[in-house]
Amino acid sequence: AQSVTQPDIHITVSEGASLELRCNYSYGATPYLFWYVQSPGQGLQLLLKYFSGDTLVQGIKGFEAEFKRSQSSFNLRKPSVHWSDAAEYFCAVGDNNFNKFYFGSGTKLNVKP
Amino acid sequence: GAVVSQHPSRVICKSGTSVKIECRSLDFQATTMFWYRQFPKQSLMLMATSNEGSKATYEQGVEKDKFLINHASLTLSTLTVTSAHPEDSSFYICSPRRGDGTEAFFGQGTRLTVV
Repeated sequence: AQSVTQPDIHITVSEGASLELRCNYSYGATPYLFWYVQSPGQGLQLLLKYFSGDTLVQGIKGFEAEFKRSQSSFNLRKPSVHWSDAAEYFCAVGDNNFNKFYFGSGTKLNVKP
Repeated sequence: GAVVSQHPSRVICKSGTSVKIECRSLDFQATTMFWYRQFPKQSLMLMATSNEGSKATYEQGVEKDKFLINHASLTLSTLTVTSAHPEDSSFYICSPRRGDGTEAFFGQGTRLTVV
């Protein structure tokens, strides 16, 4: 069955520090992978997506993610976190018809000054 | 990205009443609408999928008579929680998709509290 696991519920990092949010998935076929960010009171905003090709994908706001098929992972990274990055981050896998998205439970990021 | 408007953002209602949530795609036509629900500390779970002008398809375990979905136009879909109970308290979020869509767009979500 398809599933997405985000093992970290909360993460706190200092501003300027690097960030890595973990995501593991279980999917029977080639996955389409996404990272979304949700600020309080806002909808989900797409950060980046992976369909095929280069396994290191660049997104908005300086984020990147790397698809590692052998580890069934799609971790999100940012070299230097800004206070405005504080939000909740969701990893998702979509089926190949984009009919269904399966979301992880989210990781809430706090940024210390 | 596309503009999606969902409202209300928050609603509190009494048990037994019904609540309607609207989702509009403001700058594109949504041939398909997905409705998700998120319980605290859990993932967003797909509730139902609707195509414009057709009846919605509900995921297993979701009561179609309780969660009425209307997708009468390409820019508007509504979710009505009928005879709400406290266990229906949740975060509901819509996701309209264009016909050629390879990306999901999301509304801001509605926090429903049933007291």
